[in-house]
Formats: sequence, structure tokens, C-alpha cells
Amino acid sequence: EVQLVESGGGLVQPGGSLRLSCAASGFTFTTYNMNWVRQAPGKGLEWVSYISSRSSAIYYADSVKGRFTISRDNAKNSLYLQMNSLRDEDTAVYFCARTKLPDYSYGMDVWGQGTTVTVSS
Amino acid sequence: DIQMTQSPSTLSASVGDRVTITCRASQSITGWLAWYQQKPGKAPKLLIYKASSLETGVPSRFSGSGSGTEFTLTISSLQPDDFATYYCQRCNTWTFGQGTKVEIK
Repeated sequence: EVQLVESGGGLVQPGGSLRLSCAASGFTFTTYNMNWVRQAPGKGLEWVSYISSRSSAIYYADSVKGRFTISRDNAKNSLYLQMNSLRDEDTAVYFCARTKLPDYSYGMDVWGQGTTVTVSS
Repeated sequence: DIQMTQSPSTLSASVGDRVTITCRASQSITGWLAWYQQKPGKAPKLLIYKASSLETGVPSRFSGSGSGTEFTLTISSLQPDDFATYYCQRCNTWTFGQGTKVEIK
């Protein structure tokens, strides 16, 4: 079964850091570009970051640029999001999502269940 | 930046209705547009890619069309399982529309 499972969410104080993980299974992880997408409580979807299959191309939303770092370990079939200098407005459910082949222009065809990040003092 | 605007924000409909949701871009874009369905507490589900291609396993009552600045998602006969929120996405910049909630009338 094709599956993405996020972990690492939790409660963190403003200015703090958190590292999210996404474990992939059931498909050849090294073939696929990956994304993080978030959804604040009661709000719509917001794309956060993209990483190509071999980490050669990385992009960030302006709202997180300079604070978040996306990475992947293809040997471990895992995607990561290092989040630093967290703000109240980063509170959201964070989804990892697989880019549909052949490339990002085709949308995101597999999603994890999400992990919740709450930034609050 | 090109903005993606969906309309309506909320839509009330009955089972069996034909439903159309519109996504407009502030400038002309290519056909790299996707549509997703999301139910409360769940992850989004890809319905349509490349503006009009139906994702594998998605019922044929869903269809997408459009080009340039205006795109539509149509549900030909609304089913109970279709009450959800729908999002368009400009895929080459990953920009999502604000969503359209389809409610029971």
C-alpha cells in the first residue's frame, strides 16, 4: 500500500524549533518529488515547500523562506521539514504530499494524514 | 504573483444536482491546474490534473475544463459522498485557491 506517515508535530513556544518527518512506503521514494503543505485551523491549504527526487531543486513559500528547511534521505525513504523561528501563524496541520509523475505540474497524488504543529506560549 | 480565486466560496446543493465550481487566475496560465477534494479532518484527494484529466479511481461524474484564466470543476450528479471542500491549485507555482465548500441544501 502506498503510504505517507508524518510525525514530529507538537506544541512549541514562539521562536522555537521543530523537525517534522514523513515516512514513505509502498512506492519507489527516490523516483518522486515531494512537498509539504499546511492548513491553519479553519483555513485553506497553503503550499510550504518542494524538493525534487535527488534534492537538486528546492523551493519555499515566501512565508517560510529563511526559517524552514526541507530535506530528504532517500536511503531511509524519508522526508523532513526543519522549522526554526516558529511564529504563531505557523500553527497548522502539516501534510507531506507526493508529486504526481512526471513532475510538479501534475499535482499531488498521495498525501499523509498530517501532523499538528501548535505555536503558543 | 498570480492569484487563484475560486467561486463561490460556499455552495448549497441537493443530491442529484449538477454542480460547477470556478477557479480564475489573475493572469493567463497554462493548463497546469489541479482540483482536490477535502473532507473534515482528512487529507486532500487529487481529483483532476492538467485541468481536465481524471485521476485514477475518481468517479466519472467529476470533470474539469478550462484554459487561460478560467477553469471549472463540474460534478454531474452530486452524491452524498461529495459534500466536502474543493480546492484548485496552479501546479507550477503550487498556489491553491481559497476553497469552495459544498454543503447540503
